[in-house]
Amino acid sequence: GESVGLHLPTLSVQEGDNSIINCAYSNSASDYFIWYKQESGKGPQFIIDIRSNMDKRQGQRVTVLLNKTVKHLSLQIAATQPGDSAVYFCAENMNNRLAFGKGNQVVVIP
Amino acid sequence: SQTIHQWPATLVQPVGSPLSLECTVEGTSNPNLYWYRQAAGRGLQLLFYSVGIGQISSEVPQNLSASRPQDRQFILSSKKLLLSDSGFYLCAWSSGGPADTQYFGPGTRLTVL
Repeated sequence: GESVGLHLPTLSVQEGDNSIINCAYSNSASDYFIWYKQESGKGPQFIIDIRSNMDKRQGQRVTVLLNKTVKHLSLQIAATQPGDSAVYFCAENMNNRLAFGKGNQVVVIP
Repeated sequence: SQTIHQWPATLVQPVGSPLSLECTVEGTSNPNLYWYRQAAGRGLQLLFYSVGIGQISSEVPQNLSASRPQDRQFILSSKKLLLSDSGFYLCAWSSGGPADTQYFGPGTRLTVL
């Protein structure tokens, strides 16, 4: 909802620059990961996913990188736009469920 | 394409009153359905999920219950709301199991006073 960004790490990005959002996951056995975008007052929106047999996957203006060695996931947004302002969070499959991170707030400065 | 609806969008209820939130999915058959609660600055908490009509799994013991009267309808209920039930409630669906990609509805903001 509109308060989902409270107390979250915040990344301020100049419009047109690239954004990198990071996520540390907890389960070395997780083999599937998802990035979601949540705008204020709205439900999370699927952005991109990646399986553990890959270390990189690209979508439209977004790239997800997976480093299994250090259990780290990142989302790169190219040429960040004002509409990219939102909370971004990752999810991993763990114990036959999706476990969601708390998220990072991205603020795009025009 | 698939769409997921939730209503109402916002709700203000007094403590002790009943609750009914509804979620419906269009464009798919036999989806897995989920109810989550999202508290400010926290991750999504799975409350219930359902793999079919009348089949409900409860993840967290609490003041809430869920029902699935039809294939694409999922309802979250309470007989008596508590202050701690306030939050943002999200319904989601997936074609696979609970560890598969889930797609979320627009959410319901519930405030219990």
